[in-house]
Amino acid sequence: NAGVTQTPKFQVLKTGQSMTLQCAQDMNHEYMSWYRQDPGMGLRLIHYSVGAGITDQGEVPNGYNVSRSTTEDFPLRLLSAAPSQTSVYFCASTPAPPRVGGNEQFFGPGTRLTVL
Amino acid sequence: DAKTTQPTSMDCAEGRAANLPCNHSTISGNEYVYWYRQIHSQGPQYIIHGLKNNETNEMASLIITEDRKSSTLILPHATLRDTAVYYCIVRVAYTSGSRLTFGEGTQLTVNP
Repeated sequence: NAGVTQTPKFQVLKTGQSMTLQCAQDMNHEYMSWYRQDPGMGLRLIHYSVGAGITDQGEVPNGYNVSRSTTEDFPLRLLSAAPSQTSVYFCASTPAPPRVGGNEQFFGPGTRLTVL
Repeated sequence: DAKTTQPTSMDCAEGRAANLPCNHSTISGNEYVYWYRQIHSQGPQYIIHGLKNNETNEMASLIITEDRKSSTLILPHATLRDTAVYYCIVRVAYTSGSRLTFGEGTQLTVNP
């Protein structure tokens, strides 16, 4: 298994540009999430999905859209990039249904985004 | 989810045990203690989790006090590769979503 993969690894955008960060997992996990991590800070949840066709907002959803048309893929779209969206973005997946005692999350390697 | 308190940083000598404390005095009865770590520039990695009994796996041991208000993650023989930020997270085992709330964690530096 490749686990959770993310592309691209690095991206530079100009203010106002749009782009999609890709995330895929081959573990047949139902739950997937997007986080952002800013320097010296913990991770903040952007959006999450509990299954194909179902998404919901996290702590910091503004400026981002998601969709979940398949179990494997969970892309994150930046509609009009702003410098405040410069960050490292992590995608994660979790198996479901939850096991007794809870499930661990599996994280991708991250996408480092700079918005000029 | 309950709030956790961790020291900002800790040092450990290579080959020695690293003991990372976490306070979670407002933990509820149905909340678990999870530990993740993040090695520089990588995605977070799951280490271990538990409810009230001590747990051990191939990476670490988790000791939870009887009143469940604090816990300690133990890396029995720390190596240089264990240098990372360690996050203690308290949450219910299942919520509507797969959210984890990461605080600032403890920067563990393993010294040769």
